[in-house]
Amino acid sequence: SQTIHQWPATLVQPVGSPLSLECTVEGTSNPNLYWYRQAAGRGLQLLFYSVGIGQISSEVPQNLSASRPQDRQFILSSKKLLLSDSGFYLCAWSGRRAYEQYFGPGTRLTVT
Amino acid sequence: GNSVTQMEGPVTLSEEAFLTINCTYTATGYPSLFWYVQYPGEGLQLLLKATKADDKGSNKGFEATYRKETTSFHLEKGSVQVSDSAVYFCALSDLQTSYDKVIFGPGTSLSVIP
Repeated sequence: SQTIHQWPATLVQPVGSPLSLECTVEGTSNPNLYWYRQAAGRGLQLLFYSVGIGQISSEVPQNLSASRPQDRQFILSSKKLLLSDSGFYLCAWSGRRAYEQYFGPGTRLTVT
Repeated sequence: GNSVTQMEGPVTLSEEAFLTINCTYTATGYPSLFWYVQYPGEGLQLLLKATKADDKGSNKGFEATYRKETTSFHLEKGSVQVSDSAVYFCALSDLQTSYDKVIFGPGTSLSVIP
């Protein structure tokens, strides 16, 4: 069966510090991968998605970036965090055609 | 473009009450429709789905019927429990027009009180 992992589970970082969140998927090949952000009490905001290694599509211009160095690994990064980057970050995967999506447990990021 | 609209929350119900969360959609193709549930502090879980008109998705006592004529996919449950307290997201996947993405509604927060 397929599983999706995210780490860390929680993170507290000062403004201006770098960020690296990691997501890995097991039990499937060539998945589509997604990064979402969820602000407190708000809906999902799609940040990035990837249909293959090295292929990244950005949905929202911001100081975040994403990379996919391996087929089942998706990384969200920032060089300098802003207060507005605080939120709940969710990674998800789907088959090669976006249909059902399966979500990881999320990372709670607080920028202080 | 494609979009999903959900009723505004939060919704507060007493245990054993009947639940309806409204969802309507706009799509240019023939979408599949989904309900996801997010319990506090967790990621989203797929609750149920329907892939064509008049299909009924069901799971854990929840049901939703794909109504093409009204472009709706309302979520219902006959008797809610405290453990159903969560945020519910309606979503659509339209593979003819949006090959790579799922469109989510804004979510509806449900609180069930004993």
